[in-house]
Amino acid sequence: DSGVTQTPKHLITATGQRVTLRCSPRSGDLSVYWYQQSLDQGLQFLIQYYNGEERAKGNILERFSAQQFPDLHSELNLSSLELGDSALYFCASTQEDFAYGYTFGSGTRLTVV
Amino acid sequence: SQQGEEDPQALSIQEGENATMNCSYKTSINNLQWYRQNSGRGLVHLILIRSNEREKHSGRLRVTLDTSKKSSSLLITASRAADTASYFCATDPYNNNDMRFGAGTRLTVKP
Repeated sequence: DSGVTQTPKHLITATGQRVTLRCSPRSGDLSVYWYQQSLDQGLQFLIQYYNGEERAKGNILERFSAQQFPDLHSELNLSSLELGDSALYFCASTQEDFAYGYTFGSGTRLTVV
Repeated sequence: SQQGEEDPQALSIQEGENATMNCSYKTSINNLQWYRQNSGRGLVHLILIRSNEREKHSGRLRVTLDTSKKSSSLLITASRAADTASYFCATDPYNNNDMRFGAGTRLTVKP
């Protein structure tokens, strides 16, 4: 257990639907990052939150949105899903000084059919 | 956009041999990190090297950083079958907050 919890582990949904992925960061980490990994691809940075505020934005589609709540858990909302959105979605958290790098969750595997 | 680029894309070696993977990046960085990912699993942090460091060791891992060439290498000595995984470098661009990952090197260690 890395300390970063992602739910659900697997999700199968139809095109056009909306899903919510949830992430609880490691205790004490204020930053949460979301990444998308398509099959055999590298990780694409989507968005970062720090203590409830959006801090950095990457290649995140307008159909996707995220937020971080006062208890520091984060949710990634994916809407109007397309087949190409099928991927592994990872959440990671870190300490401010990156002393221990990023701690990744085990990911949510999203399959859009 | 991706920041780090690993080379080679794939590497196959025999158990006991050393494995070297390289990473190049484009902009100035605060630090560079290496991660391992077993198939379909989350990434595991291996080692972090800061921009003012040139070499770092952790067990069978040795990482070097050459900021003048914007490159880093990861050496795994005396490889084991359990080292079979994808290895990613990630850079923390100076003044940015997001870590950018390369596409990874897929290492296969044959028993």
